[in-house]
Amino acid sequence: QITLKESGPTLVKPTQTLTLTCTFSGFSLSTSGVTVGWIRQPPGKALEWLALVYWDDDKRYNPSLKSRLTITKDTSKNRVILALTRVDPVDTATYYCVHTNYHDSGTSFDYWGQGTLVTVSS
Amino acid sequence: EIVMTQSPATLSVSPGERATLSCRASQSVSTKLAWYQQKPGQAPRLLIYGASTRATGIPVRFSGSGSGTEFTLTISSLQSEDFAVYYCQQYNNWPPITFGQGTRLEIK
Repeated sequence: QITLKESGPTLVKPTQTLTLTCTFSGFSLSTSGVTVGWIRQPPGKALEWLALVYWDDDKRYNPSLKSRLTITKDTSKNRVILALTRVDPVDTATYYCVHTNYHDSGTSFDYWGQGTLVTVSS
Repeated sequence: EIVMTQSPATLSVSPGERATLSCRASQSVSTKLAWYQQKPGQAPRLLIYGASTRATGIPVRFSGSGSGTEFTLTISSLQSEDFAVYYCQQYNNWPPITFGQGTRLEIK
């Protein structure tokens, strides 16, 4: 059974760096085709894809946020970490950790964490 | 960046009736198109990928069609648990992966 769970601060001050951790189980991020990523959703708004890390440590970022984002994986601990620098109130959102295996379903996201709401405010 | 446009923004349908939701891409995405359902306070759930393949455990009343720039999600006979927000997502030409703005399906 695949599960993912996000953790991190619920409140961050503007200009600080937001660091979120995704802890997962039920799969290995060293298996060919497996990818873990992050998607966010501001309150009442649509979904926005942020970043992906592949089993081979290849990484992809949303170009609009690329200069501020870093995604890393720790395969031995079954964790993926997302860092977003220089946060602003517009970064207030629920952040979701997601799984995909492109051998099975392309780059569509078949498992999602419950999400964690992060508020950016002074 | 490929822009995904969903219509209508809100759809009112009675239980037991058919619902048809549309998604249009600003350029061809082939069949690299997914649909998600999101209920209040929950994470999205994958319904359809590859434009027409149901994800694991998704009821047969959900079906997807289309290719290129025009796509449709059809729910053949609405159940009470189907009233939610639906998003389409393209993964053909990326980054960035992009989502539509969503269609809210409400009870008529």
